[in-house]
Amino acid sequence: DIQMTQSPSSLSASVGDRVTITCRASESISNYLNWYQQRPGKAPKLLIYSASTLQSGVPSRFSGSGSGTDFTLTISSLQREDSATYFCQHSYTTPRVTFGQGTKLEIK
Amino acid sequence: QVQLVESGGGVVQPGTSLRLSCAATGFTFSNYGMHWVRQAPGKGLEWVAVISYDGSNKHYVDSVKGRFTMSRDNSKNTLYLQMNSLRTDDTAVYYCAKDLGWLLLRRVFDIWGQGTMVTVSS
Repeated sequence: DIQMTQSPSSLSASVGDRVTITCRASESISNYLNWYQQRPGKAPKLLIYSASTLQSGVPSRFSGSGSGTDFTLTISSLQREDSATYFCQHSYTTPRVTFGQGTKLEIK
Repeated sequence: QVQLVESGGGVVQPGTSLRLSCAATGFTFSNYGMHWVRQAPGKGLEWVAVISYDGSNKHYVDSVKGRFTMSRDNSKNTLYLQMNSLRTDDTAVYYCAKDLGWLLLRRVFDIWGQGTMVTVSS
């Protein structure tokens, strides 16, 4: 199975900061990479799919990039409500998919 | 409003069974594949199983093969997960999730339920 590794595992940033989270696949997955946000006690929410396509209704401060094995999620100007855990997930192989271990983002 | 609502979770003993349900509203359920994803307490997300839009194809993570069975009733807009021979490491919040793809599995989860907790403990 393809392994997904996120970094960092946690970070703390201030409102207005630019934040970048990285996800690395153990082998090439083309652009089959998706990002989810999970606030405490809530279900995950799809933010970005196919590496860079913003899901409908997601604020434009979120963006994704990358292909092959290395991907990034960027929040251009951090807002307080962005405090959450972020997960990447590949959708390259059929049928199994795997998630990264998560990155916990705290607002200072 | 597009919504998924899970039910059926609870506290059970190892070796017993439980059936989860997921009721779908606000979209044409019969046109989309569906998934179960679980999250152990304080842990990350683990994909568990998928079923195609018509129920003809199903796949499971290795750890639940032979113990869990996923099914759907398109006439009732409801998804099911029959869990047998439950183990303590099955303890998790179980989410149902809608696949983004219309008639075709994309393995992108665009709508999630609120989750139902399953605790397996003696």
